[in-house]
Amino acid sequence: NAGVTQTPKFRILKIGQSMTLQCTQDMNHNYMYWYRQDPGMGLKLIYYSVGAGITDKGEVPNGYNVSRSTTEDFPLRLELAAPSQTSVYFCASSPLLGTGNQPQHFGDGTRLSIL
Amino acid sequence: ELKVEQNPLFLSMQEGKNYTIYCNYSTTSDRLYWYRQDPGKSLESLFVLLSNGAVKQEGRLMASLDTKARLSTLHITAAVHDLSATYFCAVAGVNAGGTSYGKLTFGQGTILTVHP
Repeated sequence: NAGVTQTPKFRILKIGQSMTLQCTQDMNHNYMYWYRQDPGMGLKLIYYSVGAGITDKGEVPNGYNVSRSTTEDFPLRLELAAPSQTSVYFCASSPLLGTGNQPQHFGDGTRLSIL
Repeated sequence: ELKVEQNPLFLSMQEGKNYTIYCNYSTTSDRLYWYRQDPGKSLESLFVLLSNGAVKQEGRLMASLDTKARLSTLHITAAVHDLSATYFCAVAGVNAGGTSYGKLTFGQGTILTVHP
């Protein structure tokens, strides 16, 4: 059972470049999330999705875009990379809330540096 | 805006000692989570607390929730070196209609170091 899989694990970008961070889950979870974690800080929510075709902004959405065409996949797009987007990005998923004591399951993260 | 504050932010303990990490949050929530993170790693779920007075225990860790005080605690009993990690509490905020969607607001984390 793979859980939440993120690719790539590491990436270096130049300012102004674009890239897509991939996230796939095999647990048939409805809810998916993208967070960023800056050094020494807690995680901050970028975007979330409650199901295929439905996405919404979190706390820090500027500079990012998402899509959710399938239940399994929730890619995060950076269009014009900026140094402030240097961070570790975590994708997470959870089943419908109210279906028990289910935490959010996190991927291993993507470490992104923008130079 | 939901705010989550943990204290202490740094905790240096001797093996065998007890200590408590506190997590305060600012607005109504229907669930609170505790996670552990080892350096350079992902987050590992420890506890999910859903109701006032909830108490959960796993090994040397025990978590509790007081929704009226908007306070959760993570108590460490007889610390061992393997507990050294960063511990986060996270609170699921609710919108004006009372719906959560599981959007988590994290505390800053408590870096725990256990010394022999």
